[in-house]
Amino acid sequence: GEDVEQSLFLSVREGDSSVINCTYTDSSSTYLYWYKQEPGAGLQLLTYIFSNMDMKQDQRLTVLLNKKDKHLSLRIADTQTGDSAIYFCAENNFNKFYFGSGTKLNVKP
Amino acid sequence: SQTIHQWPATLVQPVGSPLSLECTVEGTSNPNLYWYRQAAGRGLQLLFYSVGIGQISSEVPQNLSASRPQDRQFILSSKKLLLSDSGFYLCAWSVELSYSPLHFGNGTRLTVT
Repeated sequence: GEDVEQSLFLSVREGDSSVINCTYTDSSSTYLYWYKQEPGAGLQLLTYIFSNMDMKQDQRLTVLLNKKDKHLSLRIADTQTGDSAIYFCAENNFNKFYFGSGTKLNVKP
Repeated sequence: SQTIHQWPATLVQPVGSPLSLECTVEGTSNPNLYWYRQAAGRGLQLLFYSVGIGQISSEVPQNLSASRPQDRQFILSSKKLLLSDSGFYLCAWSVELSYSPLHFGNGTRLTVT
């Protein structure tokens, strides 16, 4: 399988920006994804980026992709307590999706 | 619109008992179907995926098997559960397009006692 790595924890204060990082190994991945998982629930797609793009913005979310370094990041602006969850990055390699271990975001009021 | 149903939501089974988890997708045809396991609330491990009826690929050798008896039905089974089979099982689907993301069901929490 492919290796997708993320830091395990991130803690921020409400109103600050959060940056969640991810590295992947398969340079042939065409799409990269960010998912959010709330306790006891399935994964919810947040956004995705095509591998020939450097950046994608969607409201409070900004995805940055450094294809040379195989590094993906998700920035959440004006983080709210409702953003507390586990965030997963994933890569799509010929219809097989590989996920990182997830970053648990804790937002303190 | 497409929906995915996964059941049961929670299951407690004794060691050595059989297992059958079912997943169905509505609103699309010929989806790719997937089973993932999430241990200890963290990373997802791809167990099986299927690109069509009767076509199953296994990612990891294990005590589990999968079947796809109908186009939009995916079943995860075991003949004899082990303690290590405990976890959160997620079914997902995508379509055969390069940009298509995975769409997940709500998951089944399996506890083997």
